[in-house]
Amino acid sequence: DSGVTQTPKHLITATGQRVTLRCSPRSGDLSVYWYQQSLDQGLQFLIQYYNGEERAKGNILERFSAQQFPDLHSELNLSSLELGDSALYFCASSLSGSYNEQFFGPGTRLTVL
Amino acid sequence: EDQVTQSPEALRLQEGESSSLNCSYTVSGLRGLFWYRQDPGKGPEFLFTLYSAGEEKEKERLKATLTKKESFLHITAPKPEDSATYLCAVQAENRNYGQNFVFGPGTRLSVLP
Repeated sequence: DSGVTQTPKHLITATGQRVTLRCSPRSGDLSVYWYQQSLDQGLQFLIQYYNGEERAKGNILERFSAQQFPDLHSELNLSSLELGDSALYFCASSLSGSYNEQFFGPGTRLTVL
Repeated sequence: EDQVTQSPEALRLQEGESSSLNCSYTVSGLRGLFWYRQDPGKGPEFLFTLYSAGEEKEKERLKATLTKKESFLHITAPKPEDSATYLCAVQAENRNYGQNFVFGPGTRLSVLP
């Protein structure tokens, strides 16, 4: 158990809908990262927050957004969902914003029908 | 563009048969190279961080090494419980977005009893 929690575990929704994924980092960690993992794309970095501020941005679509709250939990919002958004979404956390190993949560499996 | 490749794609070993996994990378500015282990349907589990060429890290039957262009994960006398997908990732400098995290496609290791 990494100490990172993610909810929900599974999410099934329809195209065009909007969903919110939630992540709580390990105690003491200030950075949160979001990743998308699909069979054909592997693990893709989406975005990083450090102590409430956006720190780095990867291949995140404009339909997706994230934020980190004062209690350091983070939410990833996915809107106008398409079939291709079906994937495992992982959250990870690390102690600081740079030069730290990341600890991953169990993931949220999103299915868009 | 930051890139990470891994070989072989899949590897089957007999219990006790040592081998090595390769990770080759091309990045604009390497801040760190990470090895993770991932079991099916679960989040990646952190194994090692390497920061500079010549560095080595060991943990039980695993040893990771780093050169300027690649990293190796050596597995000595593997056991069936070592069966998993091993992911290599780099943390790279990014002019536009601060930093980037790029994962390789992984090597799927099966250790047969």
